Amino acid sequence: QKEVEQDPGPLSVPEGAIVSLNCTYSNSAFQYFMWYRQYSRKGPELLMYTYSSGNKEDGRFTAQVDKSSKYISLFIRDSQPSDSATYLCAMSITGGGADGLTFGKGTHLIIQP
Amino acid sequence: GAVVSQHPSWVICKSGTSVKIECRSLDFQATTMFWYRQFPKQSLMLMATSNEGSKATYEQGVEKDKFLINHASLTLSTLTVTSAHPEDSSFYICSASRRGGEQYFGPGTRLTVT
Repeated sequence: QKEVEQDPGPLSVPEGAIVSLNCTYSNSAFQYFMWYRQYSRKGPELLMYTYSSGNKEDGRFTAQVDKSSKYISLFIRDSQPSDSATYLCAMSITGGGADGLTFGKGTHLIIQP
Repeated sequence: GAVVSQHPSWVICKSGTSVKIECRSLDFQATTMFWYRQFPKQSLMLMATSNEGSKATYEQGVEKDKFLINHASLTLSTLTVTSAHPEDSSFYICSASRRGGEQYFGPGTRLTVT
């Protein structure tokens, strides 16, 4: 079993829809959870950074963490064609930028105009 | 702020040669830099962690004599792939973090070994 599981997709939705992206993980020591967006042949761009369980909202993006279920989600409201990209979940045991991150495979998202 | 650059963005080299990739934090001092590798349709895999002035810490299965990492200053880390072979062809991405902060990623370097 991989440490972080993420459905690679592709996930195709119409413009304006609410998108739900998810990851599950097995290591209960993970405490810091991130979502990155990656365009083809580019480096990942940090979207959301959360600690422990709970919700965090930033504009059209909402990140949820449920540590009891080892399940994290990213919701995108009012999705736009420019949101089409690969979304990577990542996590670490310690924060503060001291630890390397463990990534999921990424979900390829397509927003249809 | 928090911009990380990599150079070159794309490199082709012949089997048996060495290639150096640079990673720079442009507008902050990075206490720690990380090197990842990403094969097509795969996740980023951590290769090594480096702190300025210290030896790098390599992940299990990564050959430290093949992937030489030098973290010479708080804004520069280099990865040298020695005696490259076709199976080393991949997308190499660095990230940098400042104390207490998130990791910021560079744009990546695509290495093709012929």
